[in-house]
Amino acid sequence: QSVLTQPPSVSAAPGQKVTISCSGSSSNIGNNYVSWFQQFPGTTPKLLIHENNKRPLGIPDRFSGSKSGTSATLGITGLQTGDEADYYCGTWDSSLSVVVFGGGTKLTVL
Amino acid sequence: QVQLQESGPGLVKPSETLSLTCAVSGYSLFSGSYWGWIRQPPGKGLEWIGSIWHSGSTYYNPSLKSRVTISVDPSKNQFSLKLTSLTAADTAVFYCARYHTGYDAFDIWGPGTMVTVST
Repeated sequence: QSVLTQPPSVSAAPGQKVTISCSGSSSNIGNNYVSWFQQFPGTTPKLLIHENNKRPLGIPDRFSGSKSGTSATLGITGLQTGDEADYYCGTWDSSLSVVVFGGGTKLTVL
Repeated sequence: QVQLQESGPGLVKPSETLSLTCAVSGYSLFSGSYWGWIRQPPGKGLEWIGSIWHSGSTYYNPSLKSRVTISVDPSKNQFSLKLTSLTAADTAVFYCARYHTGYDAFDIWGPGTMVTVST
């Protein structure tokens, strides 16, 4: 059972937009920055979003992040089949003193 | 270009100790970042194991704290993980990663190394 809650799966058609939610509490998302990672099967997680809504160099602006209260959201526009992957949110939990991750969301581009 | 590379045994027996090393190239361990270990059991999500500051200060996941030691080797620009009293539940891909303090996130990860705990 992950501290951060993500939907197990989401799907959308190519070219469409999808959002992935990450729900937490005041001890984690509510008071700390959220990051998002993309992971293709058998590969290393890749940082997509840091500090809630900032993209590292090289990450296309099709990927966006937002945070409101104790929830965060990853948005992907102009979906491509190459976006099919698992997506994880992560943050620091001040009460538990741990880095916590969501359980991951599998994106399917139909 | 910053690169991280994990190394260690792929198979360890139950009750034994796992030792992994993360070699860092293209960046000094003492340039002001945290360094961490994260694991991922087959088919499951990510679990943070712990992190170390270049000064040697460590932060461990409380659920693993009694079994974990993370240390740095400045002469080799690498850091290490020791995990004791292994069980099958410790079978996972182990990643080392750089925690970018400006990003407040793990921004560079090693390719990962699969560790199986089995007789």
